[in-house]
Amino acid sequence: GAGVSQSPSNKVTEKGKDVELRCDPISGHTALYWYRQSLGQGLEFLIYFQGNSAPDKSGLPSDRFSAERTGGSVSTLTIQRTQQEDSAVYLCASSARRSSGRGAGELFFGEGSRLTVL
Amino acid sequence: AQKVTQAQTEISVVEKEDVTLDCVYETRDTTYYLFWYKQPPSGELVFLIRRNSFDEQNEISGRYSWNFQKSTSSFNFTITASQVVDSAVYFCALSESSTSYGKLTFGQGTILTVHP
Repeated sequence: GAGVSQSPSNKVTEKGKDVELRCDPISGHTALYWYRQSLGQGLEFLIYFQGNSAPDKSGLPSDRFSAERTGGSVSTLTIQRTQQEDSAVYLCASSARRSSGRGAGELFFGEGSRLTVL
Repeated sequence: AQKVTQAQTEISVVEKEDVTLDCVYETRDTTYYLFWYKQPPSGELVFLIRRNSFDEQNEISGRYSWNFQKSTSSFNFTITASQVVDSAVYFCALSESSTSYGKLTFGQGTILTVHP
């Protein structure tokens, strides 16, 4: 497809289980971001990948969260030993690296993966 | 640390009314970038505009206009002659110069409901 694709769209898991969320960015986009959206915390930045550079992990809330991006394309966000407070919508976004002009810095978001931890 | 405040949690208007969504930001950087995103019921955030801190020119795009005032640290968004399709959650966001454009600090969002 032409847009950012995320899977699964919904995931229900039991507390303590590990989950993996997948993001397929727009072809050719070098930057990829993960955000989390929850009622209590709003939209929060989690992690950012840019090309082959080391990722910016400054937003990851704990060491139970990790992400990787293979081959500069698909990314997987992994949450280990899930807790109820991890319940949220996890949004992935990608962007082309443009420094100026209209639309520079525009993020293209997927529809998100809704995670519910019971 | 940077912060974005959208004072209006919810706004309800009748179709064809004008509506302004307020956004106030805090940052220590002299160069930064401001954004507005729309989140319709489908959940997918849609980019509306980016404004650089060094460009205070206001912008109009169809029924949408943005008023950036550095002196008051505000970046307000006005929809003229609102339509039902404008119903969505609108987020104001900030990116600082030392980070990627896409590493955003979002406001809490304003839920806009336009009634027919």
